[in-house]
Amino acid sequence: NAGVMQNPRHLVRRRGQEARLRCSPMKGHSHVYWYRQLPEEGLKFMVYLQKENIIDESGMPKERFSAEFPKEGPSILRIQQVVRGDSAAYFCASSPFDRGEINYGYTFGSGTRLTVV
Amino acid sequence: TQLLEQSPQFLSIQEGENLTVYCNSSSVFSSLQWYRQEPGEGPVLLVTVVTGGEVKKLKRLTFQFGDARKDSSLHITAAQPGDTGLYLCAGGKDGSNYKLTFGKGTLLTVNP
Repeated sequence: NAGVMQNPRHLVRRRGQEARLRCSPMKGHSHVYWYRQLPEEGLKFMVYLQKENIIDESGMPKERFSAEFPKEGPSILRIQQVVRGDSAAYFCASSPFDRGEINYGYTFGSGTRLTVV
Repeated sequence: TQLLEQSPQFLSIQEGENLTVYCNSSSVFSSLQWYRQEPGEGPVLLVTVVTGGEVKKLKRLTFQFGDARKDSSLHITAAQPGDTGLYLCAGGKDGSNYKLTFGKGTLLTVNP
């Protein structure tokens, strides 16, 4: 997973706090994706971003969740007022492929494991 | 609705044995990928198949994409303990191929 950097690796938050997850894509990749992995479930798509644009956020919960990929700096997934059900592994992936091209696969980061207590 | 069904869910075998795991769907995918995930890490891409009937080999791993592009299989020859991990298939559909649908995975344990 070298190349896509996620931090922190582990994050503990109390209910009601904010969680900020950061992702720096692989060098040369301008497309960033966030996925969530819950116990007993597969990876679920959350959001697809390019620099300064949200392309598809259809997998994001309507409230409390937001994502950005600014012109400078990493992509940020922000969860406000966290609840126990937000506890999961959050993975960021990047690719060089535009959405009109065949998806030849992602490079994933090592993930951030969020625990809400 | 689970669009990609993987089987078996768990598989425990001895070193040197052969195995096949399956990924099935009623939907057509424009591309299908296989990943391996180890505990505490993110998925690592193994292969992408895009053409119906396509077969790809990666050392002891053989991947096949069904003719109708609805299913895929992964065959491992002479499994080794280093093959232990969670094997995930993921498909992308025409028009939104960036939005991968993942199966729940096959957890493979290869015992020495």
